[in-house]
Amino acid sequence: AQTVTQSQPEMSVQEAETVTLSCTYDTSESDYYLFWYKQPPSRQMILVIRQEAYKQQNATENRFSVNFQKAAKSFSLKISDSQLGDAAMYFCAYRSENSGGSNYKLTFGKGTLLTVNP
Amino acid sequence: KAGVTQTPRYLIKTRGQQVTLSCSPISGHRSVSWYQQTPGQGLQFLFEYFSETQRNKGNFPGRFSGRQFSNSRSEMNVSTLELGDSALYLCASSLAGNQQGSYGYTFGSGTRLTVV
Repeated sequence: AQTVTQSQPEMSVQEAETVTLSCTYDTSESDYYLFWYKQPPSRQMILVIRQEAYKQQNATENRFSVNFQKAAKSFSLKISDSQLGDAAMYFCAYRSENSGGSNYKLTFGKGTLLTVNP
Repeated sequence: KAGVTQTPRYLIKTRGQQVTLSCSPISGHRSVSWYQQTPGQGLQFLFEYFSETQRNKGNFPGRFSGRQFSNSRSEMNVSTLELGDSALYLCASSLAGNQQGSYGYTFGSGTRLTVV
């Protein structure tokens, strides 16, 4: 079974600064997807960025980028030029690429609560 | 384009009662998943449906059940409620079919269930 670990329960950053959230995962599969989701107080989970495991190039979405290290099974999220609206709980998630019963799901880490200080 | 709609937003029930939660996916999405979120256990997978068939089920007791209708709307039911069932229940829909591809999941805002 796959597991996802986020070792930082809480992080804080000054507005306009850069912060990196850590995520490691364990899997025996070679084909999978990794996601970062943001959950603000409104509760809705919002997809921030995704990474296909077969792609060596790190994904980027505006101020958000990842550092994907497949061999190390590491998937960190970097937020540049942090804004007050970035304050939220961030979840790292894993999904298998394979079809078949137990693969149809997301496996989440415990989350990192990000505070942005003005 | 409407997002994933979950109803109701809040629910208070008494121990021993049963409850039904509803989820309407994004139009065209045939995969619907349910997750339970609690402060202690985090996000845990409940079940996933595709074209009215349950394809995957998480490690929850039989009191938790679900179904999906021909229009892809889904319901989950919890019978004989326990205090520990108090949680945020999140529904997510996806374009993913038999081949999962790179499709992500779009989540609803959840139903906050409180059992007293």
